[in-house]
Amino acid sequence: EPEVTQTPSHQVTQMGQEVILRCVPISNHLYFYWYRQILGQKVEFLVSFYNNEISEKSEIFDDQFSVERPDGSNFTLKIRSTKLEDSAMYFCASKFGQSASGNTIYFGEGSWLTVV
Amino acid sequence: GEDVEQSLFLSVREGDSSVINCTYTDSSSTYLYWYKQEPGAGLQLLTYIFSNMDMKQDQRLTVLLNKKDKHLSLRIADTQTGDSAIYFCALATYNTDKLIFGTGTRLQVFP
Repeated sequence: EPEVTQTPSHQVTQMGQEVILRCVPISNHLYFYWYRQILGQKVEFLVSFYNNEISEKSEIFDDQFSVERPDGSNFTLKIRSTKLEDSAMYFCASKFGQSASGNTIYFGEGSWLTVV
Repeated sequence: GEDVEQSLFLSVREGDSSVINCTYTDSSSTYLYWYKQEPGAGLQLLTYIFSNMDMKQDQRLTVLLNKKDKHLSLRIADTQTGDSAIYFCALATYNTDKLIFGTGTRLQVFP
């Protein structure tokens, strides 16, 4: 079964450093997302991306965050200058479309980011 | 904004049925999903239901949707120890593309 893959699975970084989290969505999917889950808390929406632009973003997704689809397969989340409170599991997700059959959203295994 | 709540814990004996509940506030939900998260792992899609349905069955899983009461449930028949995990309900609404997740219910299955 096709799946969303994420790298790295775990990254430790120093406060203030830039981090790039990578995702390969399912190949025919058109909508891409990043979510995060701080330890012990709810899964929170960060950003959605369609047709090479951000379609929606949350309050969390401030100027420190950016997303990019540099080629036909990868979807990246960049955190420009990490803070301690950015420590979380970051999930990439994708779906095919907006129709009834295409609205199933698949998540990757997550990238666990620890900021020290 | 939308608020989605779940009970935090559920403990069942192996072989019994489990019922995990989810309540929400926004009546404009379109798709309602159930995800499973095992320790240290990602979010595995279990099943979903469209808002014009009342029930959906998929092998051991039965999803019930009561739109009037804004209540969603997931029933797992013949619960196994491998079903032990955190279960999240998540909702999508008409005016947004994002999912709103519940707090998650930790299901523990004991022999």
